[in-house]
Amino acid sequence: DVKVTQSSRYLVKRTGEKVFLECVQDMDHENMFWYRQDPGLGLRLIYFSYDVKMKEKGDIPEGYSVSREKKERFSLILESASTNQTSMYLCASRVSYEQYFGPGTRLTVT
Amino acid sequence: GNSVTQMEGPVTLSEEAFLTINCTYTATGYPSLFWYVQYPGEGLQLLLKATKADDKGSNKGFEATYRKETTSFHLEKGSVQVSDSAVYFCALSAVSGNTPLVFGKGTRLSVIA
Repeated sequence: DVKVTQSSRYLVKRTGEKVFLECVQDMDHENMFWYRQDPGLGLRLIYFSYDVKMKEKGDIPEGYSVSREKKERFSLILESASTNQTSMYLCASRVSYEQYFGPGTRLTVT
Repeated sequence: GNSVTQMEGPVTLSEEAFLTINCTYTATGYPSLFWYVQYPGEGLQLLLKATKADDKGSNKGFEATYRKETTSFHLEKGSVQVSDSAVYFCALSAVSGNTPLVFGKGTRLSVIA
């Protein structure tokens, strides 16, 4: 079974902190994605990556950056967390057209 | 550009009722279509898929048929159970390249005993 893991299920951070969300997949997938999920807005794509050291902006990249130094790991970085970044963050990896999701990290910024 | 529109929820049904969640899409070419399900506290998981016109995807009693003429991919189940309570997302994948999946906003289903 494909497995996508995320470093934390729940996270509470203060405004202005630098926040790292980690995602690891175990199936050698080239494509990885970060989404945020908010009530009434569905899934919104933040960043994605086709390969190591490659990244592409999604629909809402502002306030975020990413890092992909190894194929299996895709990190989302909030350089200076703000309260409007309180959300559920979902990581996914993909082979062909089938996408596999991690369990999500619920981030609260206070 | 590509887009997916699905019916807004929440949808509340009694156990054993018939379920339909409507999904229509806009896309160039012939995309692949998907339904994902998100159970409480979990990430999304693929429920079913169809890769060409008139294909029917099915899984766990759920079905959806890829209708090119109406650009639709409606999700149906003949008899829902309490355990089907979840959020359902319709999605499409463009024909070529590594373009990300395009998701609808999701429909929350609650099934009551």
